[in-house]
Amino acid sequence: DARVTQTPRHKVTEMGQEVTMRCQPILGHNTVFWYRQTMMQGLELLAYFRNRAPLDDSGMPKDRFSAEMPDATLATLKIQPSEPRDSAVYFCASGRANEQFFGPGTRLTVL
Amino acid sequence: GENVEQHPSTLSVQEGDSAVIKCTYSDSASNYFPWYKQELGKRPQLIIDIRSNVGEKKDQRIAVTLNKTAKHFSLHITETQPEDSAVYFCAASLPMYSGGGADGLTFGKGTHLIIQP
Repeated sequence: DARVTQTPRHKVTEMGQEVTMRCQPILGHNTVFWYRQTMMQGLELLAYFRNRAPLDDSGMPKDRFSAEMPDATLATLKIQPSEPRDSAVYFCASGRANEQFFGPGTRLTVL
Repeated sequence: GENVEQHPSTLSVQEGDSAVIKCTYSDSASNYFPWYKQELGKRPQLIIDIRSNVGEKKDQRIAVTLNKTAKHFSLHITETQPEDSAVYFCAASLPMYSGGGADGLTFGKGTHLIIQP
């Protein structure tokens, strides 16, 4: 049963530090998404890639967030510098056709 | 962009009864409407979806209906069981890019479904 994997599962860091989150999509899926979940805002789309090309990053704060997909088996989301308001669960999802399947998430706490 | 409203925010039903969660969307061009179930501390799990060319879809105890004219869709769970307790999210997707593949989802705020024994 293929699943999206994410590392790390939990990350606690101090304000100003760089944070990198990694995602391995399901083999054969051509689209990879990054979402963020908070109590206040719910689930929000940050960015997504299709066939490794960035399609949309309009949901992402451009000044501190960056997303890349260096190869078909790895997507990364980087925050530099991190701020307390970035504390959230960050989910990666992958899909083909319409369906999207979520990874377990990275719970980020910025102190 | 798309906007999805979901009601109610909390729904408590007796075990064995039915539960209905409703969502509305704003952009008539949206063409894909999935529902996700999320248990505490877990990932959202796709439970059922419907495309805009279909009015209703059923999978065992769950069903989804879509009214394109009114721009609303609903999740129906029959014969509810304790394991149905979770937060349920509806979502909508606009076809933004060609080339085949999924597009980003706009989610509702979620419904906390509580099944009373």
